[in-house]
Amino acid sequence: AQTVTQSQPEMSVQEAETVTLSCTYDTSESDYYLFWYKQPPSRQMILVIRQEAYKQQNATENRFSVNFQKAAKSFSLKISDSQLGDAAMYFCAYRSAWGDPGANSKLTFGKGITLSVRP
Amino acid sequence: DTEVTQTPKHLVMGMTNKKSLKCGQHMGHRAMYWYKQKAKKPPELMFVYSYEKLSINESVPSRFSPECPNSSLLNLHLHALQPEDSALYLCASSQKQTGDEQFFGPGTRLTVL
Repeated sequence: AQTVTQSQPEMSVQEAETVTLSCTYDTSESDYYLFWYKQPPSRQMILVIRQEAYKQQNATENRFSVNFQKAAKSFSLKISDSQLGDAAMYFCAYRSAWGDPGANSKLTFGKGITLSVRP
Repeated sequence: DTEVTQTPKHLVMGMTNKKSLKCGQHMGHRAMYWYKQKAKKPPELMFVYSYEKLSINESVPSRFSPECPNSSLLNLHLHALQPEDSALYLCASSQKQTGDEQFFGPGTRLTVL
Protein backbone atom coordinates (compact mmCIF):
# COMPACT_ATOMS: atom_id res chain seq x y z
CA ALA A 1 0.00 0.00 0.00
CA GLN A 2 1.08 3.52 -0.68
CA THR A 3 1.78 6.01 2.07
CA VAL A 4 2.24 9.78 2.00
CA THR A 5 4.15 11.56 4.76
CA GLN A 6 4.05 15.23 5.60
CA SER A 7 6.22 15.46 8.68
CA GLN A 8 5.83 19.16 9.43
CA PRO A 9 2.41 19.93 10.95
CA GLU A 10 2.84 23.71 10.78
CA MET A 11 4.94 26.28 9.00
CA SER A 12 5.04 30.05 8.90
CA VAL A 13 6.31 32.41 6.22
CA GLN A 14 6.67 36.16 5.92
CA GLU A 15 4.59 37.80 3.22
CA ALA A 16 6.53 38.08 -0.08
CA GLU A 17 9.04 35.42 1.01
CA THR A 18 9.43 31.88 -0.32
CA VAL A 19 8.46 28.74 1.56
CA THR A 20 8.88 25.05 0.79
CA LEU A 21 6.47 22.38 2.05
CA SER A 22 7.83 18.85 2.23
CA CYS A 23 6.19 15.61 1.21
CA THR A 24 7.57 12.11 0.87
CA TYR A 25 5.77 9.02 -0.28
CA ASP A 26 6.33 5.33 -0.48
CA THR A 27 5.21 3.14 -3.37
CA SER A 28 6.36 0.17 -5.37
CA GLU A 29 4.63 1.44 -8.49
CA SER A 30 6.44 3.10 -11.36
CA ASP A 31 3.62 5.24 -12.67
CA TYR A 32 1.42 7.45 -10.55
CA TYR A 33 0.21 10.99 -10.00
CA LEU A 34 1.07 13.38 -7.20
CA PHE A 35 -0.98 16.38 -6.16
CA TRP A 36 -0.88 19.31 -3.81
CA TYR A 37 -4.28 20.46 -2.56
CA LYS A 38 -4.95 23.65 -0.63
CA GLN A 39 -7.75 24.00 1.89
CA PRO A 40 -8.19 27.57 3.19
CA PRO A 41 -10.14 28.31 6.36
CA SER A 42 -13.33 28.49 4.23
CA ARG A 43 -12.69 24.75 3.80
CA GLN A 44 -13.02 24.34 0.01
CA MET A 45 -10.30 22.00 -1.22
CA ILE A 46 -8.55 23.40 -4.29
CA LEU A 47 -6.06 21.65 -6.54
CA VAL A 48 -2.80 23.63 -6.57
CA ILE A 49 -0.60 21.52 -8.80
CA ARG A 50 -0.24 18.01 -10.17
CA GLN A 51 2.76 15.98 -11.29
CA GLU A 52 2.80 12.87 -13.45
CA ALA A 53 5.52 10.49 -12.34
CA TYR A 54 6.67 9.65 -15.87
CA LYS A 55 7.42 13.32 -16.57
CA GLN A 56 10.85 14.43 -15.44
CA GLN A 57 10.06 18.10 -15.71
CA ASN A 58 8.84 19.69 -12.51
CA ALA A 59 5.32 21.12 -12.68
CA THR A 60 4.81 24.86 -12.29
CA GLU A 61 1.67 26.93 -11.82
CA ASN A 62 2.38 30.66 -11.46
CA ARG A 63 3.93 31.14 -7.99
CA PHE A 64 3.70 27.43 -7.18
CA SER A 65 6.27 24.90 -8.28
CA VAL A 66 7.29 21.43 -7.23
CA ASN A 67 10.60 19.70 -6.76
CA PHE A 68 9.87 16.12 -7.78
CA GLN A 69 12.63 13.65 -6.95
CA LYS A 70 11.35 10.27 -8.11
CA ALA A 71 14.27 8.21 -6.87
CA ALA A 72 14.09 9.82 -3.45
CA LYS A 73 10.27 9.66 -3.48
CA SER A 74 10.08 13.28 -2.58
CA PHE A 75 7.55 15.85 -3.80
CA SER A 76 7.96 19.28 -2.22
CA LEU A 77 5.92 22.39 -2.99
CA LYS A 78 7.59 25.79 -3.29
CA ILE A 79 5.47 28.91 -2.92
CA SER A 80 7.20 32.05 -4.12
CA ASP A 81 6.21 35.61 -3.21
CA SER A 82 3.89 34.34 -0.47
CA GLN A 83 0.60 36.16 -0.10
CA LEU A 84 -1.86 36.38 2.77
CA GLY A 85 -4.30 34.33 0.72
CA ASP A 86 -1.86 31.43 0.70
CA ALA A 87 -2.61 30.77 4.37
CA ALA A 88 -4.29 27.37 4.41
CA MET A 89 -3.86 23.70 5.12
CA TYR A 90 -1.93 21.97 2.33
CA PHE A 91 -2.33 18.29 1.57
CA CYS A 92 0.01 16.20 -0.52
CA ALA A 93 -1.78 13.32 -2.27
CA TYR A 94 -0.91 10.26 -4.32
CA ARG A 95 -2.93 8.36 -6.89
CA SER A 96 -1.95 5.22 -8.70
CA ALA A 97 -1.97 5.20 -12.50
CA TRP A 98 -2.32 1.45 -12.72
CA GLY A 99 -4.67 -1.20 -11.60
CA ASP A 100 -8.42 -1.38 -11.59
CA PRO A 101 -10.50 1.78 -11.49
CA GLY A 102 -11.14 1.21 -7.82
CA ALA A 103 -7.46 1.32 -6.97
CA ASN A 104 -6.46 4.28 -9.06
CA SER A 105 -9.44 6.48 -8.32
CA LYS A 106 -8.41 6.66 -4.66
CA LEU A 107 -6.37 9.55 -3.40
CA THR A 108 -3.95 8.76 -0.59
CA PHE A 109 -3.51 11.94 1.43
CA GLY A 110 -0.76 13.02 3.79
CA LYS A 111 -1.73 14.41 7.17
CA GLY A 112 -1.47 17.97 5.91
CA ILE A 113 0.48 21.04 6.91
CA THR A 114 -0.94 24.31 8.17
CA LEU A 115 0.75 27.28 6.57
CA SER A 116 0.41 30.72 8.12
CA VAL A 117 1.54 33.90 6.38
CA ARG A 118 2.80 36.82 8.49
CA PRO A 119 2.01 40.31 7.16
CA ASP B 1 -17.72 26.17 -15.00
CA THR B 2 -15.54 24.10 -12.66
CA GLU B 3 -17.90 24.20 -9.73
CA VAL B 4 -19.16 21.48 -7.46
CA THR B 5 -22.08 22.64 -5.33
CA GLN B 6 -23.23 21.23 -2.02
CA THR B 7 -26.29 21.87 0.12
CA PRO B 8 -26.90 22.55 2.88
CA LYS B 9 -23.84 24.39 4.08
CA HIS B 10 -24.55 23.48 7.70
CA LEU B 11 -26.77 20.77 9.18
CA VAL B 12 -27.61 19.95 12.77
CA MET B 13 -29.55 16.77 13.39
CA GLY B 14 -30.55 14.48 16.22
CA MET B 15 -29.65 10.84 16.32
CA THR B 16 -33.16 9.79 15.30
CA ASN B 17 -33.50 12.19 12.37
CA LYS B 18 -33.33 11.42 8.67
CA LYS B 19 -31.67 14.00 6.48
CA SER B 20 -29.96 14.20 3.09
CA LEU B 21 -26.91 15.96 1.75
CA LYS B 22 -26.93 17.03 -1.87
CA CYS B 23 -24.16 17.55 -4.39
CA GLY B 24 -24.27 18.77 -7.98
CA GLN B 25 -21.94 19.44 -10.88
CA HIS B 26 -22.48 20.52 -14.47
CA MET B 27 -19.04 19.78 -15.84
CA GLY B 28 -20.08 16.52 -17.47
CA HIS B 29 -18.02 14.57 -14.98
CA ARG B 30 -18.92 10.90 -14.79
CA ALA B 31 -17.28 10.07 -11.46
CA MET B 32 -18.48 11.49 -8.16
CA TYR B 33 -17.21 10.96 -4.63
CA TRP B 34 -18.21 11.39 -1.00
CA TYR B 35 -15.55 12.11 1.61
CA LYS B 36 -15.71 12.61 5.36
CA GLN B 37 -13.26 15.03 6.93
CA LYS B 38 -12.60 15.66 10.60
CA ALA B 39 -10.99 18.92 11.70
CA LYS B 40 -7.30 19.24 10.84
CA LYS B 41 -7.33 15.78 9.20
CA PRO B 42 -7.21 14.69 5.57
CA PRO B 43 -10.42 13.62 3.83
CA GLU B 44 -11.42 9.97 4.08
CA LEU B 45 -13.05 8.41 1.04
CA MET B 46 -16.53 6.98 1.66
CA PHE B 47 -18.11 6.22 -1.74
CA VAL B 48 -17.32 6.45 -5.44
CA TYR B 49 -19.88 6.52 -8.22
CA SER B 50 -18.81 5.92 -11.79
CA TYR B 51 -21.36 6.41 -14.58
CA GLU B 52 -24.11 6.57 -11.94
CA LYS B 53 -23.20 3.19 -10.50
CA LEU B 54 -21.68 2.65 -7.08
CA SER B 55 -18.16 1.39 -7.69
CA ILE B 56 -16.51 1.81 -4.30
CA ASN B 57 -17.92 1.57 -0.78
CA GLU B 58 -15.16 1.97 1.77
CA SER B 59 -16.91 -0.18 4.39
CA VAL B 60 -19.09 2.73 5.43
CA PRO B 61 -21.82 1.99 8.04
CA SER B 62 -25.28 1.47 6.59
CA ARG B 63 -26.59 4.59 8.35
CA PHE B 64 -24.98 6.39 5.39
CA SER B 65 -26.77 5.64 2.13
CA PRO B 66 -25.55 7.16 -1.14
CA GLU B 67 -27.67 7.74 -4.20
CA CYS B 68 -26.85 8.98 -7.69
CA PRO B 69 -30.15 9.96 -9.38
CA ASN B 70 -28.42 11.16 -12.55
CA SER B 71 -25.00 12.06 -13.89
CA SER B 72 -25.09 15.55 -12.34
CA LEU B 73 -26.40 14.82 -8.86
CA LEU B 74 -25.20 12.87 -5.86
CA ASN B 75 -27.04 12.47 -2.57
CA LEU B 76 -26.03 11.12 0.80
CA HIS B 77 -28.94 9.98 2.95
CA LEU B 78 -28.36 10.02 6.68
CA HIS B 79 -30.29 8.05 9.29
CA ALA B 80 -29.69 7.19 12.94
CA LEU B 81 -26.30 8.88 13.00
CA GLN B 82 -24.00 8.97 16.00
CA PRO B 83 -22.27 12.02 17.49
CA GLU B 84 -18.95 10.73 16.15
CA ASP B 85 -20.35 11.16 12.65
CA SER B 86 -20.13 14.92 13.10
CA ALA B 87 -17.69 16.14 10.45
CA LEU B 88 -17.33 18.04 7.19
CA TYR B 89 -18.74 16.01 4.30
CA LEU B 90 -17.11 16.76 0.98
CA CYS B 91 -18.37 15.90 -2.46
CA ALA B 92 -15.97 15.73 -5.41
CA SER B 93 -16.16 14.92 -9.08
CA SER B 94 -13.78 14.03 -11.87
CA GLN B 95 -14.20 13.60 -15.58
CA LYS B 96 -13.79 9.90 -15.25
CA GLN B 97 -12.91 7.62 -12.41
CA THR B 98 -9.33 7.16 -13.51
CA GLY B 99 -6.74 9.58 -14.70
CA ASP B 100 -8.25 12.92 -13.76
CA GLU B 101 -7.98 15.25 -10.83
CA GLN B 102 -10.89 15.58 -8.50
CA PHE B 103 -12.74 18.86 -8.02
CA PHE B 104 -14.13 19.37 -4.54
CA GLY B 105 -17.26 21.12 -3.33
CA PRO B 106 -17.31 23.47 -0.32
CA GLY B 107 -18.67 20.78 1.98
CA THR B 108 -21.53 20.36 4.44
CA ARG B 109 -20.69 20.86 8.10
CA LEU B 110 -22.71 18.19 9.93
CA THR B 111 -23.32 18.20 13.67
CA VAL B 112 -25.08 15.22 15.27
CA LEU B 113 -26.53 15.89 18.70
